[in-house]
Amino acid sequence: QVQVQESGPGLVRPSETLSLTCTVSGGIINYHLSWIRQAAGKGLEWIGRIHTTGDTAYNPSLMSRLTLSVDTSKNHFSLELTSVTAADTAVYYCATDSQGFDYWGQGALVIVAS
Amino acid sequence: DIQLTQSPSFLSASVGDRVTITCRASQDISHYLAWYQQGPGKAPKLLIYGASTLQRGVAPRFSGSGSGTQFTLTISTLQPEDFATYYCQQLDSYPITFGQGTRLEIK
Repeated sequence: QVQVQESGPGLVRPSETLSLTCTVSGGIINYHLSWIRQAAGKGLEWIGRIHTTGDTAYNPSLMSRLTLSVDTSKNHFSLELTSVTAADTAVYYCATDSQGFDYWGQGALVIVAS
Repeated sequence: DIQLTQSPSFLSASVGDRVTITCRASQDISHYLAWYQQGPGKAPKLLIYGASTLQRGVAPRFSGSGSGTQFTLTISTLQPEDFATYYCQQLDSYPITFGQGTRLEIK
């Protein structure tokens, strides 16, 4: 059974870097993982995708501030978003990504505030 | 970016009803479309991928159809647990995008 879980600080100061980790367990190999976010009361926004090989694709709207990485030895995926503002406040999800986003974490609420 | 427009944005229906949600893409995405269900405070759940393939474990009352620019999600007989928000998603090209959502509420 594949399980996905996000972790990281729930509060980030404006202009600082938001860092999240996604851990995937359950024995799957050679897959994509996507990050998605959802502001309160809003729809879903795709942030970017990374394969276990390290290949990445980023949403152009975030590309200049975004870095996705993977540690395959631990099945840990990382998201770093620099220079955050209040507009980056959202629930952040990670999900395994094949023909659709099939396994999702429960989401991590990140609030950007001083 | 490929824009996905769902209609309606809000739908009121009763248990036992048949409902259809439409998703229109701003350009041809072949069959690279997925549908998700999201309950309040929960992560989205994949229902359909490849426009019409039912995800393993999803109830067969859900079905998807379409190709190119016009797609539909149909729930044949609404159950109480189906009242949620539904999103379509295109995976044809980057950036991956979602429709704005359709909120399905109990009449």
